[in-house]
Amino acid sequence: KQEVTQIPAALSVPEGENLVLNCSFTDSAIYNLQWFRQDPGKGLTSLLLIQSSQREQTSGRLNASLDKSSGRSTLYIAASQPGDSATYLCAVSPASGGSYIPTFGRGTSLIVHP
Amino acid sequence: GAVVSQHPSRVICKSGTSVKIECRSLDFQATTMFWYRQFPKQSLMLMATSNEGSKATYEQGVEKDKFLINHASLTLSTLTVTSAHPEDSSFYICSASTYGRGGRDTQYFGPGTRLTVL
Repeated sequence: KQEVTQIPAALSVPEGENLVLNCSFTDSAIYNLQWFRQDPGKGLTSLLLIQSSQREQTSGRLNASLDKSSGRSTLYIAASQPGDSATYLCAVSPASGGSYIPTFGRGTSLIVHP
Repeated sequence: GAVVSQHPSRVICKSGTSVKIECRSLDFQATTMFWYRQFPKQSLMLMATSNEGSKATYEQGVEKDKFLINHASLTLSTLTVTSAHPEDSSFYICSASTYGRGGRDTQYFGPGTRLTVL
């Protein structure tokens, strides 16, 4: 059974810092890995999706890397802003077995203060 | 991009009543819809998977008689929490997928529904 762990669980930083959020998974047989953002009381917004054959994806100030063999992904946020404050979730989809349903981590709660 | 809506966004009800939550794919046809539940500071837990026109597949530990799922069309799925109790209070999120049309990659998530049972 796939297990997804996100570290740290919570993070509070001053504006402008570069951040690294970590996601680890136990089963490296994945189809893809996705990073989501969730604002309080809201649904999920997809940030970046990395296919299993890819090493990284970039969107604006966000960069996500994937090391499938070691079961790790990182989300790098450059020059953080207060508007980045949210919970960031990592989700891993399996490669086979007929089920493509992702397994989610518990998220990293980020606060960026001015 | 694909848009999924949920209605209502927030509902408060008395214990023992039933609550229906709608999930709609607004600009695409979803062959499969998913219902998740999220408790505070917890990850999303899949409750059930529903395919249009067929019975939903429930995850282990989820009571199918309590959480009724109907997927009557390619754009609408409903979750009915029957005889709701305070422990059912949670954030319910649906997602829709175009799986089966080559879109295995992507689930599009709705904005969620906050259910509070008094």
